[in-house]
Amino acid sequence: GIQVEQSPPDLILQEGANSTLRCNFSDSVNNLQWFHQNPWGQLINLFYIPSGTKQNGRLSATTVATERYSLLYISSSQTTDSGVYFCAASNSGYALNFGKGTSLLVTP
Amino acid sequence: GAVVSQHPSRVICKSGTSVKIECRSLDFQATTMFWYRQFPKKSLMLMATSNEGSKATYEQGVEKDKFLINHASLTLSTLTVTSAHPEDSSFYICSAEDRVVNTEAFFGQGTRLTVV
Repeated sequence: GIQVEQSPPDLILQEGANSTLRCNFSDSVNNLQWFHQNPWGQLINLFYIPSGTKQNGRLSATTVATERYSLLYISSSQTTDSGVYFCAASNSGYALNFGKGTSLLVTP
Repeated sequence: GAVVSQHPSRVICKSGTSVKIECRSLDFQATTMFWYRQFPKKSLMLMATSNEGSKATYEQGVEKDKFLINHASLTLSTLTVTSAHPEDSSFYICSAEDRVVNTEAFFGQGTRLTVV
């Protein structure tokens, strides 16, 4: 299956700072998603972005499918942004393969 | 987006008993659902693919006799952990895609299983 690598594994930011999370994947994809896992474990869908660029408030994401990477941008970070961010990818209708996640801590 | 509901959210059971976890697609039909397992501070690992009306496909290393999967309808898949042991304690989460729309996956709330 597709290999998904995320960086950095851990990130500490001060409130108000911007950050970029990266996701590299090993093969062509027809699904690339970013998730935020909340403290109760639920995965919150942030972006469904197999290609192109999307924005949702302070978050935006870009996937360059030909170069096999995706970026998640967080601007003006808030303490509520803390948590684990996962990138996951799949192709041909198979299950998502997850990266190991980026653990983000935003301090006041 | 599509809604996937998982129940129960938390369960504690005694060693040797069986526990059933339900995963429902509330507003769409899902011929395929996926079951994952997550250990503390780790990523999600695919356990099996649940196929409506046919046998589940298990990932390498997952015991199909211990983790029974049934996908009896287009909106319901169940995972039964049989003869549970403490090492089965984990977070289990299911997902489904509304493939009429696209391939975006939606996840249930997850089930935290503790075997004592």
